[in-house]
Amino acid sequence: AQSVSQHNHHVILSEAASLELGCNYSYGGTVNLFWYVQYPGQHLQLLLKYFSGDPLVKGIKGFEAEFIKSKFSFNLRKPSVQWSDTAEYFCAVSPLEYGNKLVFGAGTILRVKS
Amino acid sequence: GAGVSQSPRYKVAKRGQDVALRCDPISGHVSLFWYQQALGQGPEFLTYFQNEAQLDKSGLPSDRFFAERPEGSVSTLKIQRTQQEDSAVYLCASSSEGGVSYNSPLHFGNGTRLTVT
Repeated sequence: AQSVSQHNHHVILSEAASLELGCNYSYGGTVNLFWYVQYPGQHLQLLLKYFSGDPLVKGIKGFEAEFIKSKFSFNLRKPSVQWSDTAEYFCAVSPLEYGNKLVFGAGTILRVKS
Repeated sequence: GAGVSQSPRYKVAKRGQDVALRCDPISGHVSLFWYQQALGQGPEFLTYFQNEAQLDKSGLPSDRFFAERPEGSVSTLKIQRTQQEDSAVYLCASSSEGGVSYNSPLHFGNGTRLTVT
């Protein structure tokens, strides 16, 4: 079945460590790609998005993601995490053939230890 | 309002009861989406409105689920004869243009947590 896969469900890091969260999808055509974040007790917020152009996209709060078409991947990175980055992170894909639907991964819970 | 507002925040229903969940999108937003998020999972698409027109309801899991947006603003998701498997967080999202585009991202509400006992 076509899907979005996030490799780790739980990640624990110390402050200042580097972060990389994996996201792979299985849709073959044109896709738009997103990362959303949900801080404890808050609503889902958009971190960054890719529609076209430079495959390295920069988002808010120092996050970036790289679209690698050949690997069907859109991994999220941050060079140095902070305690305030503790949250759940969702990768989402909007395949062109699906119209306006976003298909979400299962999420990765990140805990940053201070 | 400043964001997407959903009510109630929490709802407990006995199996077999009907429930109605409300979504107030950001004022002027054309598109409105409903998603269902089961525990430990990502949100799953239920249905999509552009103004008052329900353009996609392919994600509604059964005919017990019904959504409406009669005046193109507030939307209600109704679940009839609730079952335990309906327990989930129901998320509403809106965007300023038709659908999802680069300049029109989705804005999510805090969701309604439905527990069916």
